[in-house]
Amino acid sequence: DQQVKQNSPSLSVQEGRISILNCDYTNSMFDYFLWYKKYPAEGPTFLISISSIKDKNEDGRFTVFLNKSAKHLSLHIVPSQPGDSAVYFCAAYYNNNDMRFGAGTRLTVKP
Amino acid sequence: DAGVTQSPTHLIKTRGQQVTLRCSPKSGHDTVSWYQQALGQGPQFIFQYYEEEERQRGNFPDRFSGHQFPNYSSELNVNALLLGDSALYLCASSFWQGYQPQHFGDGTRLSIL
Repeated sequence: DQQVKQNSPSLSVQEGRISILNCDYTNSMFDYFLWYKKYPAEGPTFLISISSIKDKNEDGRFTVFLNKSAKHLSLHIVPSQPGDSAVYFCAAYYNNNDMRFGAGTRLTVKP
Repeated sequence: DAGVTQSPTHLIKTRGQQVTLRCSPKSGHDTVSWYQQALGQGPQFIFQYYEEEERQRGNFPDRFSGHQFPNYSSELNVNALLLGDSALYLCASSFWQGYQPQHFGDGTRLSIL
């Protein structure tokens, strides 16, 4: 049962432009959302998170937006850099610690 | 400050065998979670350990079992291996209290022949 969905398997952007990665969820009980980045042969690395009581959280070039009514969140990377090329996973907490992941979006940032 | 470490990095087994994977959490963390990641998919939650007890479990059969030791390290055991168990197995650690990001190891790549 796919409670967290990333419908775009891949995204390609030019260096310096904005990257927008999207994520939808179906379970209204989710109350904490995270983005992870994964390089080949490495484990996922925590990037940024947001609580359901907020609609925006920023950390440097990374901003996460949460739209609870639409059950949608997005990750904005500005400006995008070639080193940002990786697979990005959206995740959501259910029952505090039972984390559910999307299938991932492969971001390619072209120089 | 050591992060999450997993061993071995790669493992090849045959159907019907049993396997044990090991994980040492990030220093200070008391909770360990295990995930299975099949090719092209996101990690799937297997179970979570805190205070040496299984606290939550995902939709995995009883062939998957685990253990947490007093030093917070953990093992994942899989019995009667099936071809479909071939995957990357990820361990993540965190603090039990509050909403905290989980920190992942680099995983164990398990191949079943």
